[in-house]
Amino acid sequence: QQPVQSPQAVILREGEDAVINCSSSKALYSVHWYRQKHGEAPVFLMILLKGGEQKGHEKISASFNEKKQQSSLYLTASQLSYSGTYFCGTDGSGGSNYKLTFGKGTLLTVNP
Amino acid sequence: SQTIHQWPATLVQPVGSPLSLECTVEGTSNPNLYWYRQAAGRGLQLLFYSVGIGQISSEVPQNLSASRPQDRQFILSSKKLLLSDSGFYLCAWNGGYSNQPQHFGDGTRLSIL
Repeated sequence: QQPVQSPQAVILREGEDAVINCSSSKALYSVHWYRQKHGEAPVFLMILLKGGEQKGHEKISASFNEKKQQSSLYLTASQLSYSGTYFCGTDGSGGSNYKLTFGKGTLLTVNP
Repeated sequence: SQTIHQWPATLVQPVGSPLSLECTVEGTSNPNLYWYRQAAGRGLQLLFYSVGIGQISSEVPQNLSASRPQDRQFILSSKKLLLSDSGFYLCAWNGGYSNQPQHFGDGTRLSIL
């Protein structure tokens, strides 16, 4: 079951904040977040595991609400380098699986 | 450190021709290996994955096949390409279950004429 990402696209000015959501109709064990710049391969950002933990990486952080079966990625004080497509990948198998199901992505554009 | 190599970077093939894309991983042993396809402006579609030599799981029935002849080598093949096979093909690896991050190669951009 493919997770649903929202919004599909967002345009920001440098310094503004954004939130990208990832929702699943199935119970989730883990949520991965990746960023892909145009024409390049996706780059791993972070993993959130069942337990509702929040993780952070510089000005990018994420939360995981297992009861709501959703994760949110928070980008604060956005920089031009944050532009790209953000994908969430989910696993609902309980951790015994080897594969992820990716959402369709959220295109983030940061303008000067 | 671990690195993943994928080649070629770009490929233009006529309809009906065969295909072979190769992916190798260095610096780790017994990785899980994955082939994804990404259509223009679309998400990542898992095609195949492998948890060991000779072990291939297919996610999408189509005219593509995958093989893993060596521990750190993953090959994507087709006997006859279709127009719909165009896209950006990505190889990835990780070190275990789904709680491990996947690391992607630079991809192959395949155009079918």
